[in-house]
This record gives sequence, C-alpha cells and structure tokens, in this order.
Amino acid sequence: EPEVTQTPSHQVTQMGQEVILRCVPISNHLYFYWYRQILGQKVEFLVSFYNNEISEKSEIFDDQFSVERPDGSNFTLKIRSTKLEDSAMYFCASIEQGPGTEAFFGQGTRLTVV
Amino acid sequence: ILNVEQSPQSLHVQEGDSTNFTCSFPSSNFYALHWYRWETAKSPEALFVMTLNGDEKKKGRISATLNTKEGYSYLYIKGSQPEDSATYLCASSIKAAGNKLTFGGGTRVLVKP
Repeated sequence: EPEVTQTPSHQVTQMGQEVILRCVPISNHLYFYWYRQILGQKVEFLVSFYNNEISEKSEIFDDQFSVERPDGSNFTLKIRSTKLEDSAMYFCASIEQGPGTEAFFGQGTRLTVV
Repeated sequence: ILNVEQSPQSLHVQEGDSTNFTCSFPSSNFYALHWYRWETAKSPEALFVMTLNGDEKKKGRISATLNTKEGYSYLYIKGSQPEDSATYLCASSIKAAGNKLTFGGGTRVLVKP
C-alpha cells in the first residue's frame, strides 16, 4: 500500500542551526502539507503546497520556514535558524485530489532543539 | 479562527464494551470532517471523511455520524478490543481554507483486557 515516508524520524539540533525535514509523498498525489504538534498541544497546520507553489501558510510559517519540491518526488521543510520553540513532531501529508478527500500522513519527524 | 474540540480527552474502556466520543466544530463554511486513528510512533491513519449532513460511515466495528447544522460528529467503537487503543483525532476543513485541516486535541482511548 502506498505511504508517505519521512526522514529522519528524530533530529536533534542546536538552537540557531538550519534543519531540513524530508518527505516523500505518495507519487500521484497533488497536494502536500506540513503540520506540527508541539508536545501537549493540538496538531497545527503550517503550509500547503500545490502546483509547485505555496497555496496557503499559517502565521507560524514565517520567513524562517521554507518548503521545496526539488525533484518531483521529495517535499522538504527547511527551518533556517531553529529556536527552542520549534521543538515538535512535524508531519508531512499528501492528498490525491481536492478538499474532502483523504489525507495520508507520514509517521512524523521529532525535532528537538537544544 | 476555526476551533475544533474533542471530548473527552481520554477514556478507559473495558474490553467488549462499546464507547463513543465527540468532535465539535464550527458549522459555518463547513466543508469536510475527517477522523484519524493514531497510534504512538505510527502515521495517523484515516478512518473517515464526511461531507454531508446526516452522513454515517462504518469501518468494521467503528462508525461515525455527522451533523453539520449543529457542528458535531460522533465516533462509535462497538465491542472494544485492546487493538482499538489509540488516540482518535478529528479535523475539520472549511471552504475558504485551501484544503487545510484544523485538528481537535484528540481522544485517547485505552481498552483494558
């Protein structure tokens, strides 16, 4: 069964360092997302990506964040200068079609900023 | 701001018992309601996507209903088994939101043998 895969499963980084979280969405899917869950809080939306551009982003997704789909298969989230408050579980998701269809999630990358 | 709430936060169920829990969401501009089952260290697994008022969906012993007019959905587990232990997340999307999902806080279910 096709699945969304994320690497690494856990990343520890020093405050101020850049991190890149990687995702391989399901191949025929068209919409891609990043969500995150800070420990003890709700899963929250970061950004959506469609047709090779950002379609929507949340207030959290400031200039320190960027997304890219460099080669038609990978979908990356970059945090340029990590802060302690960026520590969270980051989830990638993809949807085959438009709204109202099932979103498939990866297993997440736990980012710990020290 | 779209606010999705789930209750209870957690519940313990005896094996074989049935249970249900709630997701509430704003009914204005509603588009779809998603239910996910999430086990620790695994991907959230989609259970249902519902869009129409009165929708009822079923997958094995798990079923869900949707009331878009009053803004709530119930998830039911019939004859709970230990493997049903997980966190159940609901998420809502609205027409103007560009497909993004807004999640509730989840209901953590523990089924005791």
